[in-house]
Amino acid sequence: SSELTQDPAVSVALGQTVRITCQGDSLRDYFASWYQQKPRQAPVLVMYGKNNRPSGIPDRFSGSSSGNTASLTITGAQAEDEADYYCNSRDSSGNYVFGTGTKVTVL
Amino acid sequence: QLQLQESGPGLVKPSETLSLTCTVSGGSISSSSGYSWGWIRQPPGKGLEWIGRIYESGTTNYNPSLKSRVTMSVGTSKKQTSLNLSSVTAADTAVYYCARHRREGTGVLGPLRHHYYYYLYVWGKGTTVTVSS
Repeated sequence: SSELTQDPAVSVALGQTVRITCQGDSLRDYFASWYQQKPRQAPVLVMYGKNNRPSGIPDRFSGSSSGNTASLTITGAQAEDEADYYCNSRDSSGNYVFGTGTKVTVL
Repeated sequence: QLQLQESGPGLVKPSETLSLTCTVSGGSISSSSGYSWGWIRQPPGKGLEWIGRIYESGTTNYNPSLKSRVTMSVGTSKKQTSLNLSSVTAADTAVYYCARHRREGTGVLGPLRHHYYYYLYVWGKGTTVTVSS
């Protein structure tokens, strides 16, 4: 089965830029989507496709991909961006897989 | 605005079957082939695990690690989907979410990844299920 690997944790100073990466073979064929999850809340879609933000997601969130790696960048991180972030991708079988998750701490 | 709500028993005994329902409210749902219903779970303190999804046609995809124990169905009104997970153990204790999956065509030719976007655009708030005797 396919796997998506993320760094367990990253930290960023308030107002600075942080990039979260996701690696996996399925990303060579399918774009990742990204989900933000705050404590005791359901995940929220923040990015999908090449670089598509759902309505209501601030433009400080951006996405990119190259080869087997997808990235989510927060430019000018805010305190409210502190959360767990998960990537997700479809695989060739029609199944989906989540990344291992990255905890983002805003200092 | 489309909302999803999971419901079902919060406590299930080991070896029994976990049964959950997800109901749509607050908006209309598309029945096009680009949409499907899915289930995701999150054990306490752990990450998200995709369980599977079902199209309204009844076609399913299940996580290979759970496939032998999972059954999903869609209600006749098309506004409900159900999850059954059999022979549960303590390892199945988790928050269970339903989510609407979408496949969005990009209209772009070229590499496979450029043809469609795949994402989970609406989530329920989740329901906690504990497996314990």
